[in-house]
Amino acid sequence: DTGVSQNPRHKITKRGQNVTFRCDPISEHNRLYWYRQTLGQGPEFLTYFQNEAQLEKSRLLSDRFSAERPKGSFSTLEIQRTEQGDSAMYLCASSSGFGGTAKETQYFGPGTRLLVL
Amino acid sequence: AQKITQTQPGMFVQEKEAVTLDCTYDTSDPSYGLFWYKQPSSGEMIFLIYQGSYDQQNATEGRYSLNFQKARKSANLVISASQLGDSAMYFCAMRGLNDYKLSFGAGTTVTVRA
Repeated sequence: DTGVSQNPRHKITKRGQNVTFRCDPISEHNRLYWYRQTLGQGPEFLTYFQNEAQLEKSRLLSDRFSAERPKGSFSTLEIQRTEQGDSAMYLCASSSGFGGTAKETQYFGPGTRLLVL
Repeated sequence: AQKITQTQPGMFVQEKEAVTLDCTYDTSDPSYGLFWYKQPSSGEMIFLIYQGSYDQQNATEGRYSLNFQKARKSANLVISASQLGDSAMYFCAMRGLNDYKLSFGAGTTVTVRA
């Protein structure tokens, strides 16, 4: 049983460049989440997909950020015109959501560490 | 909205001893779930244990147990018989019944000494 995978694991880019991250969830999971974690802090929610539908976006997700999950399987998170403040760990998680219960556990991938120079 | 508070930025524990990590929360949801995750230096968040707000008993998973005090809105994690591999960052998180996202605390760093 493979877990959540993310690529790349590390990304260094120059300010103003565009970057794209990929997340492959656990295969039978229909819910997928993106979080951002800055140094010394807990993860903060960015966005959530149920199948291919993006159902919620955080105010943290500015216009420069876009996320997709075109076929309800893998997801991509793109940051356009990166800024130094975008430097963070970007975490993807998935869960098997059939009905809403508070117990539903999210399983996380290893994250993508982004450094914007 | 949910809020999680972890007041211990860092803790040291001797190998084979127990350690308690504090977590308090605030929510207006009548039903909610509380989670603890471990984050080693590699970065991956590893799910440890879950406690439901209406669960009658405190949750246990191997060496992890949760001291859940609903009236005090606290959900402290107890790690028994600490091992060197337990050295990591630990996060308390919660979600409401109709809230898909997790809200995390700032975390507590645990360092296990030989």
